[in-house]
Amino acid sequence: GAVVSQHPSRVICKSGTSVKIECRSLDFQATTMFWYRQFPKQSLMLMATSNEGSKATYEQGVEKDKFLINHASLTLSTLTVTSAHPEDSSFYICSATIDRTYEQYFGPGTRLTVT
Amino acid sequence: GNSVTQMEGPVTLSEEAFLTINCTYTATGYPSLFWYVQYPGEGLQLLLKATKADDKGSNKGFEATYRKETTSFHLEKGSVQVSDSAVYFCALTAGTYKYIFGTGTRLKVLA
Repeated sequence: GAVVSQHPSRVICKSGTSVKIECRSLDFQATTMFWYRQFPKQSLMLMATSNEGSKATYEQGVEKDKFLINHASLTLSTLTVTSAHPEDSSFYICSATIDRTYEQYFGPGTRLTVT
Repeated sequence: GNSVTQMEGPVTLSEEAFLTINCTYTATGYPSLFWYVQYPGEGLQLLLKATKADDKGSNKGFEATYRKETTSFHLEKGSVQVSDSAVYFCALTAGTYKYIFGTGTRLKVLA
């Protein structure tokens, strides 16, 4: 149980375009979802926390207009990287929690490459 | 504030060697502690966890004991395999949903 999926697993886009990444909880309802960014050989950096039906809470230094997060249902959150640039190339990982627990369940990640 | 400190890697071991990856933490209150493993190109998988002092988490031959007196949660395995090669992250939560991650320790096991 507690499986989180991400789609796509890999995406290549051209500079200036936007790309959407989906995060789904497959067998549970996720009250809270998180988006992380991971640079090569580094730890995970929390970008934002999203709760179903409300605005995401962004971490300091993360541009909310560039990284749009929508949490439309209890099983789906999306991250849209707008006007992507090569420096946005990274590994993006989402996670989800089940209500009343603090354990996070992680998706397999999405490798974004901006050319 | 809350923080997690892991030993720097990479750690290179021969197959069947004993593994220890050190993790210490700073936190207010009573955190929950986790070890996650990340295989190349993949997301994080929960390896084990402990939610209170003196708890021992274990899974797949890995163990870690929540030591409040030394604020540590060291990961151990008696006999590593090549398939254990991965990056290991220590993490905590302290009264919130947010995780505080360590920097990760890369383990390479040689046949």
